[in-house]
Amino acid sequence: KQEVTQIPAALSVPEGENLVLNCSFTDSAIYNLQWFRQDPGKGLTSLLLIQSSQREQTSGRLNASLDKSSGRSTLYIAASQPGDSATYLCAVRPNYQLIWGAGTKLIIKP
Amino acid sequence: NAGVTQTPKFRVLKTGQSMTLLCAQDMNHEYMYWYRQDPGMGLRLIHYSVGEGTTAKGEVPDGYNVSRLKKQNFLLGLESAAPSQTSVYFCASSYEGSNQPQHFGDGTRLSIL
Repeated sequence: KQEVTQIPAALSVPEGENLVLNCSFTDSAIYNLQWFRQDPGKGLTSLLLIQSSQREQTSGRLNASLDKSSGRSTLYIAASQPGDSATYLCAVRPNYQLIWGAGTKLIIKP
Repeated sequence: NAGVTQTPKFRVLKTGQSMTLLCAQDMNHEYMYWYRQDPGMGLRLIHYSVGEGTTAKGEVPDGYNVSRLKKQNFLLGLESAAPSQTSVYFCASSYEGSNQPQHFGDGTRLSIL
């Protein structure tokens, strides 16, 4: 059974730092992996999608990598800003559904 | 751009009451999904649909029913609400194919007293 883990559950860093969020999954048989952002009381915003054949995707200050063989993905945020404060979720897609991690709550201190 | 729209946004029910959550998408997506999100956990799939008139069970389908009578709408029903169904419900849609990204609505916050 596919399981997705995100560590740490919470992270607090000063503004301006570069940071890495981690996502691990137990079964490498996936079509893709997505990173989402969720603001308190809000819906989910898709940040990056990495297909199984890809190694990384970039959007602005965000870079996501995928290593299927080791069952790991990282989300790199460069030059963090207070507006980046949110919960970041990763999800893998083995079939029709997405299997989700519980998320990392990120706080960027001004 | 409306995208995926969920109604209602909030609802409080008493145990045993019934209700229907509506999801509408305007992107002509074939696939639609209902997830629930509970504190400290990832989202879990309740039911999904790969096309008009078709539905299938997800990971946690018990206590819920769904219908997809029109391509753009996906309804989630609770026949007899239970406190364990207190959760945030998210609807999503995507184009056909497992490599397509899923697009999410803003969620429905449901409390069962």
